Amino acid sequence: SQKIEQNSEALNIQEGKTATLTCNYTNYSPAYLQWYRQDPGRGPVFLLLIRENEKEKRKERLKVTFDTTLKQSLFHITASQPADSATYLCALALGNTPLVFGKGTRLSVIA
Amino acid sequence: DAGVIQSPRHEVTEMGQEVTLRCKPISGHNSLFWYRQTMMRGLELLIYFNNNVPIDDSGMPEDRFSAKMPNASFSTLKIQPSEPRDSAVYFCASNRVKETQYFGPGTRLLVL
Repeated sequence: SQKIEQNSEALNIQEGKTATLTCNYTNYSPAYLQWYRQDPGRGPVFLLLIRENEKEKRKERLKVTFDTTLKQSLFHITASQPADSATYLCALALGNTPLVFGKGTRLSVIA
Repeated sequence: DAGVIQSPRHEVTEMGQEVTLRCKPISGHNSLFWYRQTMMRGLELLIYFNNNVPIDDSGMPEDRFSAKMPNASFSTLKIQPSEPRDSAVYFCASNRVKETQYFGPGTRLLVL
């Protein structure tokens, strides 16, 4: 069966460190992958998109990698801040079908 | 742009009652999605529309759930009769086909 796993339900890190979140998938061949941020009581908000032929994408303190051989995406937040505390969701795009979302990782950045 | 608008933001009802959730997508977007989010199951796609036409409703849990999109600026998700296990946050999202999805603030439903 098709499956997306974000390997931690929760991740705690110290302010200033780099947070690394993982998204693994099986039995998919996604055309692209997206990362979303969700704050409590709000809907997910798009952060970054990376396509299957791209290895890495950056936006300010965010970096996403995509390894189609390992079937894995890594999401990095450098110089993390307490304001980065949120749940982060990965989502796969498979052809013409809608996005398939992982359950998310709840990140807490401790001052 | 006001973004995706959902109403109500919170709904508390008793088991057996009918519940109607409403969504106004972003103007110009031609795809609309209804999701349900729970701690146990995460974000699940219930149904989506392209150009007001339902494309895939395989995620709708059972016949108690129905969704309509009578025009490009309005959609409803109805649960009749509601059950306690329907308690969740329901999100509506919209986009232009195959682009980033924009989510509404969600409706928090509690069925007693």
